[in-house]
Amino acid sequence: GQSLEQPSEVTAVEGAIVQINCTYQTSGFYGLSWYQQHDGGAPTFLSYNGLDGLEETGRFSSFLSRSDSYGYLLLQELQMKDSASYFCAVRGVGTDKLIFGTGTRLQVFP
Amino acid sequence: DGGITQSPKYLFRKEGQNVTLSCEQNLNHDAMYWYRQDPGQGLRLIYYSQIVNDFQKGDIAEGYSVSREKKESFPLTVTSAQKNPTAFYLCASSIQAAGRHYGYTFGSGTRLTVV
Repeated sequence: GQSLEQPSEVTAVEGAIVQINCTYQTSGFYGLSWYQQHDGGAPTFLSYNGLDGLEETGRFSSFLSRSDSYGYLLLQELQMKDSASYFCAVRGVGTDKLIFGTGTRLQVFP
Repeated sequence: DGGITQSPKYLFRKEGQNVTLSCEQNLNHDAMYWYRQDPGQGLRLIYYSQIVNDFQKGDIAEGYSVSREKKESFPLTVTSAQKNPTAFYLCASSIQAAGRHYGYTFGSGTRLTVV
């Protein structure tokens, strides 16, 4: 089977840095993705890690350690608009199919 | 502009009724997916299709059916066998590329309510 674990909620203030962790157990693993979803909206793709290490995209970075079955999303210089739910998702071997975690709700306060 | 369109935005179903949710993309993506999202929950995979005229069950396919007769279209039918269909339904598409993952593009969703 496959399972992903993320914290259910994280809070932070504007300008701060926050890290959202994701641990996974899968029968086959090809990579870890991160998506952002605002209330009532559709998820949008943030990043993908197919190899160990850090991927940086502007204020957002994502990290993967396959030996630890662990990854995280790092959000820097937080803004109010970053308040949303963040999902990690595992990509299986030989497919583009994603299995999503239950999501982390980030609340950014002034 | 390229994108993925879901319709309708809101749908109300009576008990025992089948309903079909539309999903159309003009991104020339090979793969398409249907996910279900319940309040405060993650996305659960219903069905996916990697190529025209072929599709596979996801984790919660019971009570649902799909077709993929055209590359652009992947409609989802919620049948009367689905006992708890009230949810937010999301369609997505992606490029099929060996190795690299370019992310999913999602539609804006259909909110289905049983009345």
